[in-house]
Amino acid sequence: DAKTTQPDSMESTEGETVHLPCSHATISGNEYIYWYRQVPLQGPEYVTHGLQQNTTNSMAFLAIASDRKSSTLILTHVSLRDAAVYHCILRALPQGTGSKLSFGKGAKLTVSP
Amino acid sequence: AQTIHQWPVAEIKAVGSPLSLGCTIKGKSSPNLYWYWQATGGTLQQLFYSITVGQVESVVQLNLSASRPKDDQFILSTEKLLLSHSGFYLCAWSSGNQDTQYFGPGTRLLVL
Repeated sequence: DAKTTQPDSMESTEGETVHLPCSHATISGNEYIYWYRQVPLQGPEYVTHGLQQNTTNSMAFLAIASDRKSSTLILTHVSLRDAAVYHCILRALPQGTGSKLSFGKGAKLTVSP
Repeated sequence: AQTIHQWPVAEIKAVGSPLSLGCTIKGKSSPNLYWYWQATGGTLQQLFYSITVGQVESVVQLNLSASRPKDDQFILSTEKLLLSHSGFYLCAWSSGNQDTQYFGPGTRLLVL
């Protein structure tokens, strides 16, 4: 799977809208963009994913560039519970029977009261 | 709704002792199951995956083994623990190969 680049950390304040960027310049046509978030001592939580079109759910809005070389996870009205490490992961459709997620260090989002 | 349970929540073990960690999925038949490991301060690595009972594929060799004795159960084990086995072990499930993976709460392991 291709590599992603995220900032090490970002800071925000409760109630703000946060834009978490992710660069994936070598993304392949069959790779989905997945976002998970993880707080210490807990398992990663699925946030959203997309292939080409922007997507939205109750947790976030995922904006995908038209050339797919970058994406932005947008969190509106963040609260203290949104503080976590956010992982942007590329995942190709599995060729065999396995399905692997390759986690990096992610971007640590700090939310202040 | 599907629920994923891991046991134990945390464990402290001696080097050279055996280990068995468990994972159970409820509310989903024939799930794909996965084991991940995260060293303290490190990144998550997938260790094993299973798409059906009795079948397990290894992704990373860490002197660990996995088994799937039941449709809803995934076991991670070793006969002799190493110090390097310390970390956070996570079980995950998905409906199929191309579907989203959902993670359990994890088991913290400290090997002394």
